[in-house]
Formats: sequence, C-alpha cells, structure tokens
Amino acid sequence: AQSVAQPEDQVNVAEGNPLTVKCTYSVSGNPYLFWYVQYPNRGLQFLLKYITGDNLVKGSYGFEAEFNKSQTSFHLKKPSALVSDSALYFCAVRDIGFGTNAGKSTFGDGTTLTVKP
Amino acid sequence: EAQVTQNPRYLITVTGKKLTVTCSQNMNHEYMSWYRQDPGLGLRQIYYSMNVEVTDKGDVPEGYKVSRKEKRNFPLILESPSPNQTSLYFCASKTQGLAGELFFGEGSRLTVL
Repeated sequence: AQSVAQPEDQVNVAEGNPLTVKCTYSVSGNPYLFWYVQYPNRGLQFLLKYITGDNLVKGSYGFEAEFNKSQTSFHLKKPSALVSDSALYFCAVRDIGFGTNAGKSTFGDGTTLTVKP
Repeated sequence: EAQVTQNPRYLITVTGKKLTVTCSQNMNHEYMSWYRQDPGLGLRQIYYSMNVEVTDKGDVPEGYKVSRKEKRNFPLILESPSPNQTSLYFCASKTQGLAGELFFGEGSRLTVL
C-alpha cells in the first residue's frame, strides 16, 4: 500500500525566514509527487509536482521542492516566507507502477503553516 | 475560466434524507473523483471515474453512490445520510494519464443531524 507522512501538524515561521514543510512517502513502484495548498474555505490548489528529471522542482508563489529518492522525501521549501503563505499544505503521491494502486493519488494529513509578521 | 463547480457549498440535513451533491467541470477532463476531508485524516477518496460510464470505489465508498452519464458531471449521492457522513467534500478532475495534477472544487460542507 502507498502512503504519505507529513510529520508536522503545524509549522510556524517568521515572515522573511525560510520555511520547510516535510513530506515522506512510500510506494511500491516509482512515484509522482505533488504539493497542494488549501486556503481557508477554499478547495485545494496545485503548487508543484515531480515527475522526472531534475530533483529540484519549482512551482507557484516561489515555492520549490526537492525529490530525494534515497530518503523517500519531497520536502516543500521557500527561501523567504510571507504572511500570505499561511495555509494548509498537502503532499500527495501517485504510484506509476503496475500494482493495484497504480494511478491512485494518496494524500498526507496536511500541515498547517503559520507565518507571523 | 477553467473550474470545477460544486453545489451546494453548505448543507444541513437530517439522517435518512437523500441528498445529491453536484459536480461539474469545464476542462473536458476524463478523470473525476470525490474526496472527503476530516480533521486529522487528510483527504480520503470516496469514488472515482476514469471516463463516462466508468466508476470505481475509492477508500471509503460505504454510504455513497456516484454516476457518470456525461463527461462534465459527476454527482455524489447519499441515499440515506448518517451523522458520520458529516464532512467537507471535494470534487476533483484531471486529464487522463499519470502526470496530471488534480483540479479541485471549492468544497461542500455537509452536516447530517
């Protein structure tokens, strides 16, 4: 079975400081990895994804994430946090193998990011 | 504007009263899916559809039905709602294939008394 772990329920950072939201995954085959953001009373919005190629992927709003195959991680990062980045962040994995979970997206439980002025 | 539209956004109902949450997308996506979001449990998939007339169970299908008669629409039906179906529901769609990201609706908050 595939799974995603976001070990921190809450991440607090000061505006202007770098931020990291952690994600580790488990799949039987090769993964496609995604980050989504959810603002209050809104649906999830796509931020970025890793499909293949460069391990460092860049996405919307200045976010980036690094795929680390050996550590099975896909941490979300931003060099300088903004108050407006405060939201709920979800990591998701999609197994691209040939097992029963092929093509299915599995989401982590989410991490609430709070950026304080 | 590309979007996934859900209705109603908010609904309070009583146990046993059938209800339908509609979902419509204007992006010509083949794949559509329903999720429920509960505190501490993230998003869990209820049902999904790979194309018209093709639907399959997700992780938590009990108590729900779906249909996919048209490509753009994917309604979620609760035949006899119960309080444990009180949740925030999201419809999502994407293109066929493994690399596409999901496009989500704004969510439907359902309370079953």
